[in-house]
Amino acid sequence: KQEVTQIPAALSVPEGENLVLNCSFTDSAIYNLQWFRQDPGKGLTSLLLIQSSQREQTSGRLNASLDKSSGRSTLYIAASQPGDSATYLCAVMNTGFQKLVFGTGTRLLVSP
Amino acid sequence: EPEVTQTPSHQVTQMGQEVILRCVPISNHLYFYWYRQILGQKVEFLVSFYNNEISEKSEIFDDQFSVERPDGSNFTLKIRSTKLEDSAMYFCASTRDRGSNEQYFGPGTRLTVT
Repeated sequence: KQEVTQIPAALSVPEGENLVLNCSFTDSAIYNLQWFRQDPGKGLTSLLLIQSSQREQTSGRLNASLDKSSGRSTLYIAASQPGDSATYLCAVMNTGFQKLVFGTGTRLLVSP
Repeated sequence: EPEVTQTPSHQVTQMGQEVILRCVPISNHLYFYWYRQILGQKVEFLVSFYNNEISEKSEIFDDQFSVERPDGSNFTLKIRSTKLEDSAMYFCASTRDRGSNEQYFGPGTRLTVT
């Protein structure tokens, strides 16, 4: 059974810092991995999708990497801003399935 | 930009009552999903739907739950007899292709069972 873990659970940084969020998964037979952002009481906004054959994806100040064999992904946020404050969720889709399995998330606070 | 919409945003119901949560997926998407998030817990998969039938479901999705695509645009989740533990945020999601494309999530319906 796929288990997804995210560390740290919470992170507080001053504005302007570069930061890394970590995601690990127990079953490397994944089809893809998706990073989401969730604001309090709101839905999930998709940030990046990485296919199992890819090593990384970039969107603006965000860069996500994937090391399937070691069961790890990282989300790198450059030059953080207060508007980046949210919970970041990692989710994987296993080969042969359609569902996403989510991690518990990292709650990020960027202070001005 | 197209988006997934859900109604209502908040539903309060008494234990034992039936509720129907509604979703309008993105128009050219073919795969539809329901997930839920109990307060403070992980987002959990409930069911996926493709070509007018359930394609995958979790252990949570028992006989009390059903899904339907009654017309070309709506996708509904029905809970026949709600329990206190059904209180959660319910998210609808859709995608054009199972694995090649992102799943897009709606804003959610907060269900409170009293």
